[in-house]
Amino acid sequence: DVKVTQSSRYLVKRTGEKVFLECVQDMDHENMFWYRQDPGLGLRLIYFSYDVKMKEKGDIPEGYSVSREKKERFSLILESASTNQTSMYLCASTPSSTDTQYFGPGTRLTVL
Amino acid sequence: QQQVKQSPQSLIVQKGGISIINCAYENTAFDYFPWYQQFPGKGPALLIAIRPDVSEKKEGRFTISFNKSAKQFSLHIMDSQPGDSATYFCAASGGGGGFKTIFGAGTRLFVKA
Repeated sequence: DVKVTQSSRYLVKRTGEKVFLECVQDMDHENMFWYRQDPGLGLRLIYFSYDVKMKEKGDIPEGYSVSREKKERFSLILESASTNQTSMYLCASTPSSTDTQYFGPGTRLTVL
Repeated sequence: QQQVKQSPQSLIVQKGGISIINCAYENTAFDYFPWYQQFPGKGPALLIAIRPDVSEKKEGRFTISFNKSAKQFSLHIMDSQPGDSATYFCAASGGGGGFKTIFGAGTRLFVKA
């Protein structure tokens, strides 16, 4: 069965902290994505990766960076957390652009 | 060019009724149109998907209707049940979208018992 796991379900951080969100998939998928979900705004793409060590900016990359050192793992980094980064963060993977995206359960991040 | 517009934002339906959610896209190069269902506290999961070579796809109580010329597609939920209460996202990908999937803003469906 397909599985995407995220390191934390809930996270509370302080303004200015460096935050790491990790995502692991066990399906050998090439493509991985980080989204943030906010009420009324749907899913907004932060970054995606189509191969190890490859990354592309999505629609809202400001304040975020990513790392993909291994195929199964895609990390989202908030260099200096701010209150406007309080959100639900979703990781997803897919074998190709014209196929299902498999989502993790999400991490609800609160920045105080 | 890359937007997917979804309506309505929220929907309340009586148990047993039909729920209809509509989406419109702009990029004619898209070639995969999935619908995702998300329950509170969970990530979205694929519900049903269609490719543009067919006009309709049915899986149980869920049907996608696809109108290529109008660049619109819709989700119909027949005999809606309280367990269908969730947020639904339409999406489009492939072709001119590259690696990205473009999501609609979502529809919160509430089915009254």
